[in-house]
Amino acid sequence: EAQVTQNPRYLITVTGKKLTVTCSQNMNHEYMSWYRQDPGLGLRQIYYSMNVEVTDKGDVPEGYKVSRKEKRNFPLILESPSPNQTSLYFCASRISRGPLYEQYFGPGTRLTVT
Amino acid sequence: TQLLEQSPQFLSIQEGENLTVYCNSSSVFSSLQWYRQEPGEGPVLLVTVVTGGEVKKLKRLTFQFGDARKDSSLHITAAQPGDTGLYLCAGARNPGNTGKLIFGQGTTLQVKP
Repeated sequence: EAQVTQNPRYLITVTGKKLTVTCSQNMNHEYMSWYRQDPGLGLRQIYYSMNVEVTDKGDVPEGYKVSRKEKRNFPLILESPSPNQTSLYFCASRISRGPLYEQYFGPGTRLTVT
Repeated sequence: TQLLEQSPQFLSIQEGENLTVYCNSSSVFSSLQWYRQEPGEGPVLLVTVVTGGEVKKLKRLTFQFGDARKDSSLHITAAQPGDTGLYLCAGARNPGNTGKLIFGQGTTLQVKP
């Protein structure tokens, strides 16, 4: 089954404690991205990657890091989480070319930083 | 700055009613997508419109892309409780491989039986 998986699904942590949210896709997609979803703001892109070792900032990259060492994996790293990073996070992937690209989203990770 | 404005933000209707959700921008988009998201899940693509003036139908859902490719609408006929969810529009600013999508803030639809 074609899918994007994220782990963990729920995470409660404290300010300053480094954490990683993993993302993996089994569709051989080149393009992967991370979004955060906040009430009234929709989905905002944090980082994206067009292929292995190619990453770039989205609209709200501050406080986040990513890496793309393998095509299937795109982890999101919060080196020193703060309460304003409490949010619902989604990883997504798609093929890289064409205007009709369909993004496949993971199930989401709900992060709470106290 | 919200480049895509959705309206209304919340909509609660009775089963059988019709409704329209709007997605407006002052910017031109090369394509526009509509997603539906249910609680506890990620958004799922419903449709992509590419050509100005394009109309696409998906059962009781009708999607339209404005002639100038700055706006779009989603019309649901005879809404059912299963249509309940968050509807998101997302626009692509260029047809190239950057693939950046800009999302509207979403419309929460509740259809009561």
